[in-house]
Amino acid sequence: AQSVTQPDIHITVSEGASLELRCNYSYGATPYLFWYVQSPGQGLQLLLKYFSGDTLVQGIKGFEAEFKRSQSSFNLRKPSVHWSDAAEYFCAVVADNYGQNFVFGPGTRLSVLP
Amino acid sequence: DGGITQSPKYLFRKEGQNVTLSCEQNLNHDAMYWYRQDPGQGLRLIYYSQIVNDFQKGDIAEGYSVSREKKESFPLTVTSAQKNPTAFYLCASSPRSWASSYTFGSGTRLTVV
Repeated sequence: AQSVTQPDIHITVSEGASLELRCNYSYGATPYLFWYVQSPGQGLQLLLKYFSGDTLVQGIKGFEAEFKRSQSSFNLRKPSVHWSDAAEYFCAVVADNYGQNFVFGPGTRLSVLP
Repeated sequence: DGGITQSPKYLFRKEGQNVTLSCEQNLNHDAMYWYRQDPGQGLRLIYYSQIVNDFQKGDIAEGYSVSREKKESFPLTVTSAQKNPTAFYLCASSPRSWASSYTFGSGTRLTVV
């Protein structure tokens, strides 16, 4: 079955520091990959997505992610974190044998120190 | 502006009562979804509908029911059979085209008292 793991439950970084959030998936073929962000008590907002082509994907708010097939990973990065980036981040995969539905990872909560 | 509206934002229910959560979208999306979110567990799919008058069970459908009588609306009923209904519920929609991203509502927090 498809699965998505996010090894880090909670990460704390200082404002201005770089960030990398890890995501690994389990799926036979090349999946469609997404990163979403959720502020407390809110819905999810799409940061970026990967379908095919260039494995380095640019998103909104200065985020980027790199697809590495050999590692089954799709890690999210940002060179300089802002206090407003504090939120929960979800990696997700669409699997074609799952009715076109998303499988979400458990999420990583990001805290930003001033 | 187009979007998804979930109401109410907060909902309290007594044990043994059914309660219905509203989800309305004006994006002209064909597919709609209901997810349950619990701390540390991410989002789990309850039900989804890819077309009017049709819906499918997700991973945790027990104790829930849905209807899809209109394209714009996909209400979720949490029945008394749901043993642990306190959670944050998210509705989403997407075009029917392959692997389109979801648009999410802002959620309903249900608390059983």
